[in-house]
Amino acid sequence: EAGVAQSPRYKIIEKRQSVAFWCNPISGHATLYWYQQILGQGPKLLIQFQNNGVVDDSQLPKDRFSAERLKGVDSTLKIQPAKLEDSAVYLCASSLIRGVSTDTQYFGPGTRLTVL
Amino acid sequence: GQQLNQSPQSMFIQEGEDVSMNCTSSSIFNTWLWYKQEPGEGPVLLIALYKAGELTSNGRLTAQFGITRKDSFLNISASIPSDVGIYFCAGPLYNSGGSNYKLTFGKGTLLTVNP
Repeated sequence: EAGVAQSPRYKIIEKRQSVAFWCNPISGHATLYWYQQILGQGPKLLIQFQNNGVVDDSQLPKDRFSAERLKGVDSTLKIQPAKLEDSAVYLCASSLIRGVSTDTQYFGPGTRLTVL
Repeated sequence: GQQLNQSPQSMFIQEGEDVSMNCTSSSIFNTWLWYKQEPGEGPVLLIALYKAGELTSNGRLTAQFGITRKDSFLNISASIPSDVGIYFCAGPLYNSGGSNYKLTFGKGTLLTVNP
């Protein structure tokens, strides 16, 4: 079974530029998560989708971050404009169902973003 | 917000040694999860604990769910070089209706194993 795919793996941009990340979850997984992991920290949830609907985006900086999952499968996360403090690894994860802590979240390899 | 405190922050050990790390919280969790993250990869679930007092093993790994439900520990026996990585504890924070949760992670324990 293929895992969670993410691209690009690395991205370097200058501040105030825009960037987009792509995620393809495990086939059949209804729930998709985007996390931000700053160096030396654990992952922090940015947004959670159930199929193509947003379940939780309370920690998403909505003035600059946006995400969509239009057909309930792939998802994109965008930052516009980027700030220096956005430098981090952006992880995508998926799980089969929502709201049950016994359901494992599977993580992709992440996109490492450096903002100069 | 809710924090999970992991200790130690880092460990340098010799191959073959046993390792112990723990995670504490000021709040009660009904589930404790232990993840491992290797360089350039996402976290991978190692062990999940669902019941206070539960002791669960996965090969050389053993984890326990504390009786108070506010702590958990992870032991690795007879460490090998491929155990290198960052180990995170995590727990679910449920919304007020209990219909959804958000995983909260500790800051991790960085393990280095010298061959």
